[in-house]
Amino acid sequence: AQTVTQSQPEMSVQEAETVTLSCTYDTSESDYYLFWYKQPPSRQMILVIRQEAYKQQNATENRFSVNFQKAAKSFSLKISDSQLGDAAMYFCAYPADTGRRALTFGSGTRLQVQP
Amino acid sequence: DTGVSQNPRHKITKRGQNVTFRCDPISEHNRLYWYRQTLGQGPEFLTYFQNEAQLEKSRLLSDRFSAERPKGSFSTLEIQRTEQGDSAMYLCASSSQGNDEQFFGPGTRLTVL
Repeated sequence: AQTVTQSQPEMSVQEAETVTLSCTYDTSESDYYLFWYKQPPSRQMILVIRQEAYKQQNATENRFSVNFQKAAKSFSLKISDSQLGDAAMYFCAYPADTGRRALTFGSGTRLQVQP
Repeated sequence: DTGVSQNPRHKITKRGQNVTFRCDPISEHNRLYWYRQTLGQGPEFLTYFQNEAQLEKSRLLSDRFSAERPKGSFSTLEIQRTEQGDSAMYLCASSSQGNDEQFFGPGTRLTVL
């Protein structure tokens, strides 16, 4: 079965510092999307950033950027200048099966931001 | 349009009862997804609609579960003869054709006593 692995159940970062959340996945496809979603406590899931696998350039959205290593099947999320509002569960996800639209999610990383 | 909405937000029921949840996607989105999320885990896919057609179903979707999207707009997810193991957050998401970004609703939290 194709899977997504987030090996860090919890991470902590000081406000204004940088933190990197890791994600590895398994696919035999060559063209696909990868996503990072954020789920704040008791609030709905929102998309943080997306990466198209055929693009070599790493995606960036303001303070959020990815380090996409296609050969290693690694897709880490870097949060710069961390803010208290960044505290949440972060999920890595991608459409794991050929032709399917459904996303397969990792088990998540809980990020705490210390003031 | 305020995004994907789900009702009810919370449901408490007794084992053996039937429950139905509703999802209203973003109006121009023709794709709709149901996921289930248990505490401390990522969402797990249940089923997917394109317009009114149910195109994908997970093995997680037992015969007690049924989903519909009769007019290609809102969708309902029904669970018959609920079991304690059905307790979870049920998430709905929608997306538009040609865009893989899925927009999630706030979820319906089901507690089966």
